[in-house]
Amino acid sequence: ETGVTQTPRHLVMGMTNKKSLKCEQHLGHNAMYWYKQSAKKPLELMFVYSLEERVENNSVPSRFSPECPNSSHLFLHLHTLQPEDSALYLCASSQGPYGGRTDTQYFGPGTRLTVL
Amino acid sequence: QKEVEQNSGPLSVPEGAIASLNCTYSDRGSQSFFWYRQYSGKSPELIMFIYSNGDKEDGRFTAQLNKASQYVSLLIRDSQPSDSATYLCAVNIGNAGNMLTFGGGTRLMVKP
Repeated sequence: ETGVTQTPRHLVMGMTNKKSLKCEQHLGHNAMYWYKQSAKKPLELMFVYSLEERVENNSVPSRFSPECPNSSHLFLHLHTLQPEDSALYLCASSQGPYGGRTDTQYFGPGTRLTVL
Repeated sequence: QKEVEQNSGPLSVPEGAIASLNCTYSDRGSQSFFWYRQYSGKSPELIMFIYSNGDKEDGRFTAQLNKASQYVSLLIRDSQPSDSATYLCAVNIGNAGNMLTFGGGTRLMVKP
């Protein structure tokens, strides 16, 4: 595997389900990000982990819970979601604090989530 | 609120023409600027970044930055139908975590 991988690629869940999205980066990076991309809206940053510490939580509802067990893995735990949470969820990674102003984020393929 | 603005388009250009994509940003402290391309149903892929005023060229792509006007653009020379995609402008304001603020994207259509 190379780059940034995400599983599953597609997920359909009911409002009462609990599921998790997984992201893995093979680039030796130190920062990982979760984004939400809804139709006709800009990419929304949800969570940032830098050196395995959460740096930013952009007022995301508590039904989304991130976990970063190490610098290569990032999870997004989902529970009691709403239909408006249906979107493409993208994971990205970068060098983080060691990247300076040219720190570049590389994206995974995304998970297309549908909440029924 | 820190904003990045792009015209949503679609911008339609004939094959072989120059496509010009524009982006404005509100935070004067912004340090670096990124252009990503996103095909429908796919994830964003990096085209190039720029952090100094002026032009930066990479193949058929040229990024232009004017910090005084808070304006960054992407020129695509010899546009091809395969360039048809949504182009996202992203700005790093230099805060902790090197977070990016994305514009809404411009949809480009290159017609054969």
